[in-house]
Amino acid sequence: AQKVTQAQTEISVVEKEDVTLDCVYETRDTTYYLFWYKQPPSGELVFLIRRNSFDEQNEISGRYSWNFQKSTSSFNFTITASQVVDSAVYFCALSEASDYGQNFVFGPGTRLSVLP
Amino acid sequence: NAGVTQTPKFRVLKTGQSMTLLCAQDMNHEYMYWYRQDPGMGLRLIHYSVGEGTTAKGEVPDGYNVSRLKKQNFLLGLESAAPSQTSVYFCASSYESYNSPLHFGNGTRLTVT
Repeated sequence: AQKVTQAQTEISVVEKEDVTLDCVYETRDTTYYLFWYKQPPSGELVFLIRRNSFDEQNEISGRYSWNFQKSTSSFNFTITASQVVDSAVYFCALSEASDYGQNFVFGPGTRLSVLP
Repeated sequence: NAGVTQTPKFRVLKTGQSMTLLCAQDMNHEYMYWYRQDPGMGLRLIHYSVGEGTTAKGEVPDGYNVSRLKKQNFLLGLESAAPSQTSVYFCASSYESYNSPLHFGNGTRLTVT
């Protein structure tokens, strides 16, 4: 069974600090995808990134970066120089190729508060 | 381009009442999903559909029914609402199965008293 763990329930940082959100996953598949979603206080869910299991290159998009390590089954998300607008709940999700249709197991989420 | 639209946005039901949540997508996606979000539990899959006319159970299907009569619409029904169904419900769609990101609606906040 697939499982996603986000051990940090809540994190508070002061604006301009760097912050890393942890995501650890479990899967028996060799082919799978990992995702991060953002849920701001307004409630909608926003797709941030997708990474497949064969691509371990780290990715950077502006102040956001993602570190995928298969050896530790982790897909961590770092925000550099955090801003108040980064305050949100962030979800990590796993999708397996073998689980046709019934995919996308979500972690419980990490609530990030960025204080001015 | 509206994406995924859910109606209604809010609803209050009394125990035993029924209701239908409507989800519509205009992206021609094959796959559609209903999730519920509860504090500390992330999103849990209720039912999903891999194409028009098909539906299947997800992780927490009890107390819910769904229908996908048209490709663009996915309906979630509660036949006899219970307080345990108080939650925020999200509809989502995707172009392909496991490798496509989900596109979410804005959610429906349901309270059952």
